[in-house]
Amino acid sequence: EAGVAQSPRYKIIEKRQSVAFWCNPISGHATLYWYQQILGQGPKLLIQFQNNGVVDDSQLPKDRFSAERLKGVDSTLKIQPAKLEDSAVYLCASSLNRGFHEAFFGQGTRLTVV
Amino acid sequence: AQKVTQAQTEISVVEKEDVTLDCVYETRDTTYYLFWYKQPPSGELVFLIRRNSFDEQNEISGRYSWNFQKSTSSFNFTITASQVVDSAVYFCALSEANYGQNFVFGPGTRLSVLP
Repeated sequence: EAGVAQSPRYKIIEKRQSVAFWCNPISGHATLYWYQQILGQGPKLLIQFQNNGVVDDSQLPKDRFSAERLKGVDSTLKIQPAKLEDSAVYLCASSLNRGFHEAFFGQGTRLTVV
Repeated sequence: AQKVTQAQTEISVVEKEDVTLDCVYETRDTTYYLFWYKQPPSGELVFLIRRNSFDEQNEISGRYSWNFQKSTSSFNFTITASQVVDSAVYFCALSEANYGQNFVFGPGTRLSVLP
């Protein structure tokens, strides 16, 4: 079974530029998560999708972050414009469904904003 | 609101010692699930165990064991006879069945096992 795929693995941009991350979840997984993990901290949930609908985006900085999950499969997370404090690893995860099922994580995208 | 606390920021042990990682959680839900994940230096989060709120039986898997106590809202993780390969950051996470966010993670405990 293929795991959660993310790209790119690394990205360096200047502040005020825009960037996009892509995630392909495990086939058949209805729930998709995007997390931000700042160095030395636990993952912080940014947004959660159930199929192609948003379940929770309460911690997504909506003035600069946006995310979509087209057709309930792949997802993209965008930052525009980026700030220095956005430097972090962005993790995508998927689970069979909400609540009970464990989430499987991709390798993440390490973003450095300079 | 749901919350996970891991009070131990870093722990260092010598190989073959036993070590317990603490996890305390808060939730308003009566049905919830608790998880432990391991994050080795490579960075990918690896699922270790899931527990539901109705099952307080302890679980053992090889050198790993978990102690779930609802009365103290704790879900502690013990590694017996630790090995260098156990060195990683360990995260406890909480998922509620009926309310809002799923998979809220604690801040993590960095475990270093020295040879």
